[in-house]
Amino acid sequence: DTGVSQDPRHKITKRGQNVTFRCDPISEHNRLYWYRQTLGQGPEFLTYFQNEAQLEKSRLLSDRFSAERPKGSFSTLEIQRTEQGDSAMYLCASSPGGGTVNQPQHFGDGTRLSIL
Amino acid sequence: QKEVEQDPGPLSVPEGAIVSLNCTYSNSAFQYFMWYRQYSRKGPELLMYTYSSGNKEDGRFTAQVDKSSKYISLFIRDSQPSDSATYLCAMQPPGANSKLTFGKGITLSVRP
Repeated sequence: DTGVSQDPRHKITKRGQNVTFRCDPISEHNRLYWYRQTLGQGPEFLTYFQNEAQLEKSRLLSDRFSAERPKGSFSTLEIQRTEQGDSAMYLCASSPGGGTVNQPQHFGDGTRLSIL
Repeated sequence: QKEVEQDPGPLSVPEGAIVSLNCTYSNSAFQYFMWYRQYSRKGPELLMYTYSSGNKEDGRFTAQVDKSSKYISLFIRDSQPSDSATYLCAMQPPGANSKLTFGKGITLSVRP
């Protein structure tokens, strides 16, 4: 069990550029979540996948944000035309699937995005 | 009013002290309650996971849930400098697809 892996760990970019982050969940976890955390705040939910299906999106996820999980394994989160307000830590979490029972979510170490 | 409120910090205690961390919530649908520990520049690490009301103990950590008061607590006994971190409470309603709703977090410093 290697844990949730996120890449890159830190991304610095100029305002207006596009960025893409990758998340590799714990193997055999079919639920995958993206959260955003700003300084001094708890993580806020962005979106959720069950296998390859994106089942829920937060209002925080504007049209500039898109997430995919094409084969139900790794996921990518893309931000187009980045803005200063996008500076944050982007966290990925995964949990086991099966049935309707809640399962604990395990987080990666995040990608810290800095917009110049 | 936010759905989850967490006691403001920061909190500084001497080594060996008992630490009490608390959260309140307003959404009565929350049934699952978690505490995460987050070190600087790291992701949240799951410490405790509880369902509904009651106590759960794991080593030096005890999680307590009082659904009637909409109040949860994390107690840390014999605190160590390595416990210095930000502690986040999180909650979710029943349902396999449920997102977590977090408190703001409280930063704890344990002085040697």
